[in-house]
Order: sequence, then C-alpha cells, then structure tokens
Amino acid sequence: RKEVEQDPGPFNVPEGATVAFNCTYSNSASQSFFWYRQDCRKEPKLLMSVYSSGNEDGRFTAQLNRASQYISLLIRDSKLSDSATYLCVVRKDSNYQLIWGAGTKLIIKP
Amino acid sequence: EADIYQTPRYLVIGTGKKITLECSQTMGHDKMYWYQQDPGMELHLIHYSYGVNSTEKGDLSSESTVSRIRTEHFPLTLESARPSHTSQYLCASSESGVNYGYTFGSGTRLTVV
Repeated sequence: RKEVEQDPGPFNVPEGATVAFNCTYSNSASQSFFWYRQDCRKEPKLLMSVYSSGNEDGRFTAQLNRASQYISLLIRDSKLSDSATYLCVVRKDSNYQLIWGAGTKLIIKP
Repeated sequence: EADIYQTPRYLVIGTGKKITLECSQTMGHDKMYWYQQDPGMELHLIHYSYGVNSTEKGDLSSESTVSRIRTEHFPLTLESARPSHTSQYLCASSESGVNYGYTFGSGTRLTVV
C-alpha cells in the first residue's frame, strides 16, 4: 500500500462547477500536509498548506481529518486555468522529507 | 519567482556519455533534493542532502551521484548515460522545519539516444 494515495482521475468538470479531491495517508504520525499543483511538463508548485482547522485561499479550501487520515481539496467556481494535476503531499516525520501522492488529474471543460 | 535554477533545460546526449545536471539556489536552504519524473507519472526521490558534505540516496535506485560542497549548489552526475535515463530531473530545496514545503527548479529534460 502506498503511503499517500490519490484517485488518479481524470476528473472532467465543466467550467464553473465545484470539484473535490481526497487523499489518504497511512502514517498517523504525519506532521504536515500540502497540496501542490503541477502543469503538464512543468515543475510542481505549492498551492497551499493544509492546517488542522482547515484553511481557505480564494476559491480553494483544504481540510484535514486526522482521525480518518485524509486530506481534501475543494475548488469552487472552477476555471479553465485550474486544469492541472494536483499532488497531495505529506511530511511523515521530523526528517523533513515529503511523501508525494501520484496526483489527481483535473480537466476543466468550457 | 523561485530562486532555484537548473541547467540545462533540455539535453540530448549519446549513450555512454558523462553528464552533469546543475542545480543552484539562492535562498540559503540547507536541504536539497533530486527527483526523477517520467511524463504523467509520479515523482521519485533519487538523492537528497541536508547540508554541506551530506548526501543520501533516495527511494529510487539510481546510477547517478551527487555532491554538496557548497550550500547553494547540488549537481547530479551520470557517469555513463543510457537510454533508460531518459526522463525529467527536478531539483528542489527547502528550509528546515516541518511547516515548509519544497521549491522546485524548472527541471532538466534529458534524452539519451
């Protein structure tokens, strides 16, 4: 079983819709959590950190459920430019290394 | 924008050649990483460093080597390139502390013919 698991998709979503992804992680001692965005043939870029109380950045909302060991990302009013692969990332211990999910591909259609 | 730079962006090289992929960052980060990623596939950690003179192998078996003589510089060397090394190589760095993510360079797309 992978340490960080994501549905690979693709999620095909009409522009303006709301879409949500989940990600599960196996290590209950994981310390910090992130969502990254990766465009085709580009490097991953930090989208947002995920805090225990949940956090929002514009149209994006991230939630953490430690009891069930999952992280979610909600995108409201989706734009064509949101099309990308979204990577769920977990820091499992104090050695600072990040564990990367394989990514969920999102395609926003006009 | 990110202050981590990789050169070259693209490289086509013949089998058996020795190559060095360059990675430099100006952020003073202690921690640096090399990842390999094929198109549409997940990231695989091949090497990392927690500071000067510190290097470790990652999860993916690799025939490459790295060095960390200066904080800002973390080059990756392939002694003898093979077609199986064709991939994208991404360098990243991070600050110490659990709340920091990684910042990536733009990558080197390597093709071995």
